[in-house]
Amino acid sequence: ETGVTQTPRHLVMGMTNKKSLKCEQHLGHNAMYWYKQSAKKPLELMFVYNFKEQTENNSVPSRFSPECPNSSHLFLHLHTLQPEDSALYLCASSQTDREQFFGPGTRLTVL
Amino acid sequence: KQEVTQIPAALSVPEGENLVLNCSFTDSAIYNLQWFRQDPGKGLTSLLLIQSSQREQTSGRLNASLDKSSGRSTLYIAASQPGDSATYLCAAPYSGAGSYQLTFGKGTKLSVIP
Repeated sequence: ETGVTQTPRHLVMGMTNKKSLKCEQHLGHNAMYWYKQSAKKPLELMFVYNFKEQTENNSVPSRFSPECPNSSHLFLHLHTLQPEDSALYLCASSQTDREQFFGPGTRLTVL
Repeated sequence: KQEVTQIPAALSVPEGENLVLNCSFTDSAIYNLQWFRQDPGKGLTSLLLIQSSQREQTSGRLNASLDKSSGRSTLYIAASQPGDSATYLCAAPYSGAGSYQLTFGKGTKLSVIP
């Protein structure tokens, strides 16, 4: 595959479940990002990783836990989410300070 | 902190018309600006990245301009087609705490009527 891929594409979970979102980039980039897109709100940056090191956490609740084992993979671990966390979660990658490329997103519904 | 505003929020035009989408940003100390397209329920597709040293960037029927001094960028779409119907997002960078971030506008939802 090429570009940025995300799995799963759709996820429905209860508030007590634990699940993980996965992102993989095949572009040789060194920076990866998680964004949240809720209805009628601008995209919100959640986390930034540069060379596997987290460089930004935009006041994201601890029920969202990112993991970046290498520069090609990024995970978002989810636990005890709330219904208001239902959104489209987008992953992106770039060379640092360069054009960002996005994956197709994971549509998350929390019941 | 960077703030990005896009006007109009929605736009409906007949097929074949030329149109302009507007983006304004508050922190003019940027070194690039990126335009994206998003189809409903999908991810973002990068359309154009315009560097601060450039005034314009073109790709096919799309032309983006950047005026740092006034904090504005425009996306010009020539000869619009129904397939251009989507939400167009403008994003300006913000260098916070040593990392590179993009701040997005809320987007302009474009409908091209056949």
